[in-house]
Amino acid sequence: SAVISQKPSRDICQRGTSLTIQCQVDSQVTMMFWYRQQPGQSLTLIATANQGSEATYESGFVIDKFPISRPNLTFSTLTVSNMSPEDSSIYLCSVWTGGSGEKLFFGSGTQLSVL
Amino acid sequence: AQTVTQSQPEMSVQEAETVTLSCTYDTSESDYYLFWYKQPPSRQMILVIRQEAYKQQNATENRFSVNFQKAAKSFSLKISDSQLGDAAMYFCAWGRGTYKYIFGTGTRLKVLA
Repeated sequence: SAVISQKPSRDICQRGTSLTIQCQVDSQVTMMFWYRQQPGQSLTLIATANQGSEATYESGFVIDKFPISRPNLTFSTLTVSNMSPEDSSIYLCSVWTGGSGEKLFFGSGTQLSVL
Repeated sequence: AQTVTQSQPEMSVQEAETVTLSCTYDTSESDYYLFWYKQPPSRQMILVIRQEAYKQQNATENRFSVNFQKAAKSFSLKISDSQLGDAAMYFCAWGRGTYKYIFGTGTRLKVLA
């Protein structure tokens, strides 16, 4: 299993500003991801945070809006840039452990409200 | 493409009673995994139970068990002896060998004292 620490747990931000969310894992992992959960909806994968290279974004998400860093195998950040009220969501960091016991583990999430 | 459907937006159960949450999925794959995740108000997504499609035996974790019907592409979650702490959103998910899990839209479970 993996223990994932995510911060901040919640924030209220002004339109046009940026917020950086941090994700720390208690062990080295290859695959780290960022999900968005809009109010009342399911989870949507934003991107895969690749160590030592640029993140891989899913359709509908771009680097200018959601820049991601992955400086090592235990840490990643997601920045939500130039925020608008539509960015109000829960953002979740996750890691995937593959192989026969594959599963996704999640951080505690960041509740973001944009005014 | 894979899809996961949870047709019950909300369910209620009396404390100590049993409740079943439904999930259906569609896939052309023969080997895959199915999951139930719980999301309490704390927002943390917690893995409740995991089923490997090649196993006929239904997975069980304490008070949580599944009814996996591969031919019918059905994967329901049964919670026995419901407790107040079981109140949460429950998400069904499909995965296979990659990180791109497909999540359902969730079922909100209310536990009545």
